[in-house]
Amino acid sequence: EVQLVESGGGLVKPGGSLRLSCAASGFTFSSYSMNWVRQAPGKGLEWVSSISSSSSYIYYADSVKGRFTISRDNAKNSLYLQMNSLRAEDTAVYYCAREGRAQGGPFDPWGQGTLVTVSS
Amino acid sequence: SYVLTQPPSVSVAPGQTARITCGGNNIGSKSVHWYQQKPGQAPVLVVYDDSDRPSGIPERFSGSNSGNTATLTISRVEAGDEADYYCQVWDSSSDRWVFGGGTKLTVL
Repeated sequence: EVQLVESGGGLVKPGGSLRLSCAASGFTFSSYSMNWVRQAPGKGLEWVSSISSSSSYIYYADSVKGRFTISRDNAKNSLYLQMNSLRAEDTAVYYCAREGRAQGGPFDPWGQGTLVTVSS
Repeated sequence: SYVLTQPPSVSVAPGQTARITCGGNNIGSKSVHWYQQKPGQAPVLVVYDDSDRPSGIPERFSGSNSGNTATLTISRVEAGDEADYYCQVWDSSSDRWVFGGGTKLTVL
């Protein structure tokens, strides 16, 4: 069974840092691009960042560029999101999602999400 | 930046057909993906590449894309289809994924 499991969320103060992880299983992780998508409470989906299978291509939403860093470890079947200089508006459920093909493919599946709360 | 526009809400009676639109500049030239999200759950892919269905998604879900509008059509709507629906495209001009604002489908 293809599965993605996020971890690392929690409560952090403004200006603080947090590292999210996404553990993949049931497929050849090193063959797929991966993404982070977030959803603020009561709001819609917002794409955060993408990383290609070999980490050659990395993209960020303007809202997180310069503060967040996406990375992956294909040997550990894991995806990461290092979040620095966190702001209240970064409060959201963060999902990891597999991208169906090299570029432009659908996100399937998604993990269950991990909640990040930025508050003093 | 590329913008996708969805109606905030659509209401339909059980057994009828729901149509959820996603507007964007020349969206017909892009591949559109659609997701269903029920409360407290992660999104689920229901249509990809404009009109293809993943395995396990009922044939009642279909999609089309032309000009400036993509449409997700749900035939013979059931109570269990009540959810938020999001469209998505890859904007190659900015190397960004874009989601529509989402549409809440209410089954009357």
